[in-house]
Amino acid sequence: SAVISQKPSRDICQRGTSLTIQCQVDSQVTMMFWYRQQPGQSLTLIATANQGSEATYESGFVIDKFPISRPNLTFSTLTVSNMSPEDSSIYLCSVLRQGKSEAFFGQGTRLTVV
Amino acid sequence: EDQVTQSPEALRLQEGESSSLNCSYTVSGLRGLFWYRQDPGKGPEFLFTLYSAGEEKEKERLKATLTKKESFLHITAPKPEDSATYLCAVQAVRAYGDYKLSFGAGTTVTVRA
Repeated sequence: SAVISQKPSRDICQRGTSLTIQCQVDSQVTMMFWYRQQPGQSLTLIATANQGSEATYESGFVIDKFPISRPNLTFSTLTVSNMSPEDSSIYLCSVLRQGKSEAFFGQGTRLTVV
Repeated sequence: EDQVTQSPEALRLQEGESSSLNCSYTVSGLRGLFWYRQDPGKGPEFLFTLYSAGEEKEKERLKATLTKKESFLHITAPKPEDSATYLCAVQAVRAYGDYKLSFGAGTTVTVRA
């Protein structure tokens, strides 16, 4: 398994502001992903964070709203921009190691927008 | 588009009462099917990966099986600590570098002492 540290664990933010979530892994991983879990629902992939290049976004998610960085093999950030109450969700970082098929998840960031 | 349907949505069991959770899937080509456990306020915890029909995996009171259209998670003689939401996800065979997981909505299991 991988030790994944995600910060902050929770936050309450004002609408119109932005929040950056950090994901740090204890060792090098091949792939890093960001998921959203809305209240009472399952996980939806936002994007794949690519090292040194632009993230690959899923349908319905755009870079202006969810800018992502991945400067190296162990760290990534997700920013939720110009937040509205509809952005209230749990945001999860996930990693995949070279040669492994199972993904591991961080503890999540519970975001409430008021 | 990949589709994953889990049933039932919720399951309430007495301690020791065995039961099964279902995960039906539609995918163009299955690379792997994954089971996760999620406790409230936490991220999903990996349980099993299944790759081909007929495969089975076991861990303590949990056993996962796979057919060409569905997977079952059997819980044998559950204990209160088995209470959690169980998530099923599929990974399809796609272009190199595309390892997206598609998740079902989950089954919330409550085990009463």
